[in-house]
Amino acid sequence: DQQVKQNSPSLSVQEGRISILNCDYTNSMFDYFLWYKKYPAEGPTFLISISSIKDKNEDGRFTVFLNKSAKHLSLHIVPSQPGDSAVYFCAAGAGSGTYKYIFGTGTRLKVLA
Amino acid sequence: DVKVTQSSRYLVKRTGEKVFLECVQDMDHENMFWYRQDPGLGLRLIYFSYDVKMKEKGDIPEGYSVSREKKERFSLILESASTNQTSMYLCASSARQGPEKLFFGSGTQLSVL
Repeated sequence: DQQVKQNSPSLSVQEGRISILNCDYTNSMFDYFLWYKKYPAEGPTFLISISSIKDKNEDGRFTVFLNKSAKHLSLHIVPSQPGDSAVYFCAAGAGSGTYKYIFGTGTRLKVLA
Repeated sequence: DVKVTQSSRYLVKRTGEKVFLECVQDMDHENMFWYRQDPGLGLRLIYFSYDVKMKEKGDIPEGYSVSREKKERFSLILESASTNQTSMYLCASSARQGPEKLFFGSGTQLSVL
């Protein structure tokens, strides 16, 4: 049973427009969420995080929104740039001690010039 | 910057071979993780370690073991490699207990023939 879902395998957006990547989760115990970007043949790089005590976190062109009641988070990239073309993973974690993260299956974003 | 180094970018092994994947982090992080990434399945946690000589199973530990004899080094061992273990293997670390982001290595693409 997939606890973290990214239902859109791919997304294409024009350069300069907004990219919105979505992530749903089923476990209400998750209280910390991460977004990663991954280029082919490279390791994932951290983009932005959000704690369940917040509903929004912003860092430059990247904003993450969390809707706890809907168990849904989204990553907004504004404006989108061709260099943003990559696979994006969301991850959710919970608990005391070491946080183990469950990752979604990823969304491939293509930003068209 | 945190550096997580995986010893090999590409490996080709035969079925039945014992395979060692090595990972070293340089920031005195408490926690280290091994994930594998497969198309359509995202990143799945194999094992993690929260201290020297301490380890816990992740979601897919079957066919794998790990070793953490020193804080900076975490090894993944495939006792008898099989073709279904062909995958991208990603090592990660996080600083301490609680909600911390993961820092990933560049990955090892393992092919088992």
